[in-house]
Amino acid sequence: AQTVTQSQPEMSVQEAETVTLSCTYDTSENNYYLFWYKQPPSRQMILVIRQEAYKQQNATENRFSVNFQKAAKSFSLKISDSQLGDTAMYFCAFRPGNAGNMLTFGGGTRLMVKP
Amino acid sequence: EAGVVQSPRYKIIEKKQPVAFWCNPISGHNTLYWYRQNLGQGPELLIRYENEEAVDDSQLPKDRFSAERLKGVDSTLKIQPAELGDSAVYLCASSQRAGTDLLGNTIYFGEGSWLTVV
Repeated sequence: AQTVTQSQPEMSVQEAETVTLSCTYDTSENNYYLFWYKQPPSRQMILVIRQEAYKQQNATENRFSVNFQKAAKSFSLKISDSQLGDTAMYFCAFRPGNAGNMLTFGGGTRLMVKP
Repeated sequence: EAGVVQSPRYKIIEKKQPVAFWCNPISGHNTLYWYRQNLGQGPELLIRYENEEAVDDSQLPKDRFSAERLKGVDSTLKIQPAELGDSAVYLCASSQRAGTDLLGNTIYFGEGSWLTVV
């Protein structure tokens, strides 16, 4: 079974600064997919960024980027130029590439962006 | 393109009453999921459908929960009778048929249905 660990229950950052959220996972799979989802108070899970395990290049989506370290099983999220609207819960998620795969979530990190 | 649509957004019921949630997935998505999310936790899978077939319902409390996906599109999740511990957000999600690429394996969520059992 796969596990996903987010070791930072809460974090805060000043507006316009950069923050990094950590995520580690445990798996014996070689082919898998990793995701970061944002969940604002409305509770909708919004896809932020995604990464394929067999791609070396780190994914980037505007102000969001990841640092994917496959050997270390680490998948951190960096938010640059933080905005007030980034305040939310952030969930790291893992999905194996085989059939019958299931999305496993970490426990979440609550991010507060301060003005 | 329309996203995953869920209704109702909010529901307050007394314990022992029934409740039902509806979900319409993204057009063309074969796989549909129901997740439950308790306060302060990540979502947990209740059931997964491939078209109209439930392929993973191991986490669904079958004594009181039921789900269906007739015609392989819309789905309903029912709880009868509801208990206090069922208070949670019920998230519906969908994805293309799980394949070997990133797109097929990306899951998109609806806004969720908040259930409060009093």
